[in-house]
Amino acid sequence: QSALTQPASVSGSPGQSITISCTGTSTDVGTYKYVSWYQHHPDKAPKLMIYEVSNRPSGVSNRFSGSKSGNTASLTISGLQAEDEADYYCSSYTTSSTWVFGGGTKLTVL
Amino acid sequence: EVQLVESGGGLVQPGGSLRLSCVASGFTFSNSWMHWVRQAPGKGPVWVARINTDGSTTNYADSVKGRFTISRDNAKNTLYLQMNSLRADDAALYYCARSGGSAIDFWGQGTLVTVSS
Repeated sequence: QSALTQPASVSGSPGQSITISCTGTSTDVGTYKYVSWYQHHPDKAPKLMIYEVSNRPSGVSNRFSGSKSGNTASLTISGLQAEDEADYYCSSYTTSSTWVFGGGTKLTVL
Repeated sequence: EVQLVESGGGLVQPGGSLRLSCVASGFTFSNSWMHWVRQAPGKGPVWVARINTDGSTTNYADSVKGRFTISRDNAKNTLYLQMNSLRADDAALYYCARSGGSAIDFWGQGTLVTVSS
């Protein structure tokens, strides 16, 4: 199972919006709604930000939103804040009953 | 408060074995599917294995199938990963993680495995 494809880095200024893409195939992202997004600050455990493509767990800011079209999922962060600077990973369930992650995107808040 | 605390990582020679443990608290462990996920430095996470609530169903990544075994002891609220025939490319931070049904919803802090002679 190949990793999902994410851009290596994105950046934006405080207050702006950014979108991170996550491209898979018809055996993962394209088939299932089980796409998740995680925020990972250095030396901390990854944190679930979005599940089932577009749902936010309790406590996650509504500045975070998710969507999917075909084999590509997207995470949008609006109203960028300094604390949003982190690595972001997408994940999807697959037709092989396994899970696959993206290579990660480093978000820099300028 | 949900807590997952991994242990058992360390330095092992190629071909060696290691058993990782993960003690869970703050939720009903016996009701949760559990996962192991690993992450090498500078790389994205890689899913390793998962186990159902009573241990009767397991799934593995192709890269570890036949070498790693995931198991659990619900009486001890503990998840395990037995790793045999370790290779250099198995070196990573290994995370224990809880399944929230449709997503991995909580991760531990990880335990570091180094494979080197």
